[in-house]
Amino acid sequence: DAGITQSPRHKVTETGTPVTLRCHQTENHRYMYWYRQDPGHGLRLIHYSYGVKDTDKGEVSDGYSVSRSKTEDFLLTLESATSSQTSVYFCAISEKAPGTSGGGTGDTQYFGPGTRLTVL
Amino acid sequence: AQKVTQAQTEISVVEKEDVTLDCVYETRDTTYYLFWYKQPPSGELVFLIRRNSFDEQNEISGRYSWNFQKSTSSFNFTITASQVVDSAVYFCALTSYSGAGSYQLTFGKGTKLSVIP
Repeated sequence: DAGITQSPRHKVTETGTPVTLRCHQTENHRYMYWYRQDPGHGLRLIHYSYGVKDTDKGEVSDGYSVSRSKTEDFLLTLESATSSQTSVYFCAISEKAPGTSGGGTGDTQYFGPGTRLTVL
Repeated sequence: AQKVTQAQTEISVVEKEDVTLDCVYETRDTTYYLFWYKQPPSGELVFLIRRNSFDEQNEISGRYSWNFQKSTSSFNFTITASQVVDSAVYFCALTSYSGAGSYQLTFGKGTKLSVIP
């Protein structure tokens, strides 16, 4: 199994408070991703990183920011949490960029265990 | 824009029955990759298979098999002789690179499979 941990695993917070979720990997993979999972929506990409200090937005990035100061850590911040951000958040990693591996498999994403966030 | 459709929201089968989970995709890119993931009740996401767009060979892994057909833009997943441990939500996903740093990552909404003993 890929070495990916997420912290915290569960969090309950109040509307308007800042929240930071951490993803830590031991695989030295270049690419890291944050997704949210909601009933009826599947998994939706929030932000991703293609290297230290290199990040880009995904499909549902509004209200979220990210930072990556080290290869192994990718942080997701909700500056002012809202009830609509109640969700399960998954981090993923891949060795290579999505859709660019040719005959190899390095673009396969492996997921962390998830963080369940409840915003009251 | 890319799209992945898993039309079956929920499926229930009796143990030992065969079941096929459908995945239909849309993309403008000529090179792309398709994936299936399993999410058991415990919540983790488990990678099952990856398929290149230029490799239409079907694959079998034990009781699992995958049928990739570019002509119908489908990548269906069949479980033979289903077992209770197969009960999970299954996600189909599509990735591609459109150039100029534009990566496309799209998941379907998932199919919940319940295998009844």
